Amino acid sequence: QKEVEQNSGPLSVPEGAIASLNCTYSDRGSQSFFWYRQYSGKSPELIMFIYSNGDKEDGRFTAQLNKASQYVSLLIRDSQPSDSATYLCAVNRGTSYDKVIFGPGTSLSVIP
Amino acid sequence: SQTIHQWPATLVQPVGSPLSLECTVEGTSNPNLYWYRQAAGRGLQLLFYSVGIGQISSEVPQNLSASRPQDRQFILSSKKLLLSDSGFYLCACHRGPTEAFFGQGTRLTVV
Repeated sequence: QKEVEQNSGPLSVPEGAIASLNCTYSDRGSQSFFWYRQYSGKSPELIMFIYSNGDKEDGRFTAQLNKASQYVSLLIRDSQPSDSATYLCAVNRGTSYDKVIFGPGTSLSVIP
Repeated sequence: SQTIHQWPATLVQPVGSPLSLECTVEGTSNPNLYWYRQAAGRGLQLLFYSVGIGQISSEVPQNLSASRPQDRQFILSSKKLLLSDSGFYLCACHRGPTEAFFGQGTRLTVV
């Protein structure tokens, strides 16, 4: 089982809709969770992080964490064409911050 | 604030040639440093990480090696490149407990 899994997509949503991106992880000891956005040919940039169960909102973005189900998601409200990118889920394993493990990413396309 | 310098931005190398990619960090001391590789259309694969000078941990067996000669310098090397070494190489530094902050990347094409 891969440590961090995501649907590769592509996920296509119309402009203005809600995009929902999902991620599961295998290590129950994982403590913190991140969503990165990566435009083609560029390095990833952090958009959200979450440590506690529940929802965390930042502008149009909401991260949701359910540690019991080992599941983290990212919702993008009012999707814009500029949101079209690959979204990488990342997990810090355990209490040591030696390693941040990334999922394969989900490609999102927002259609005008 | 932390800044990661990574060079070169692009590189085309023949099979069997050596490789040296350099990463330097500014604005922090004793950082945890990482090398990731991203194949086309794929996620980030952790190659090496270092928690201090001379301390290197390898995540996957491969044709590559890493060194950390100075606190803020991390080098990725190969003695003989393979076609499968092509990819987008990213150096990263942890800012705070866990956030990974990336350099601009090096796109390596082995021909």
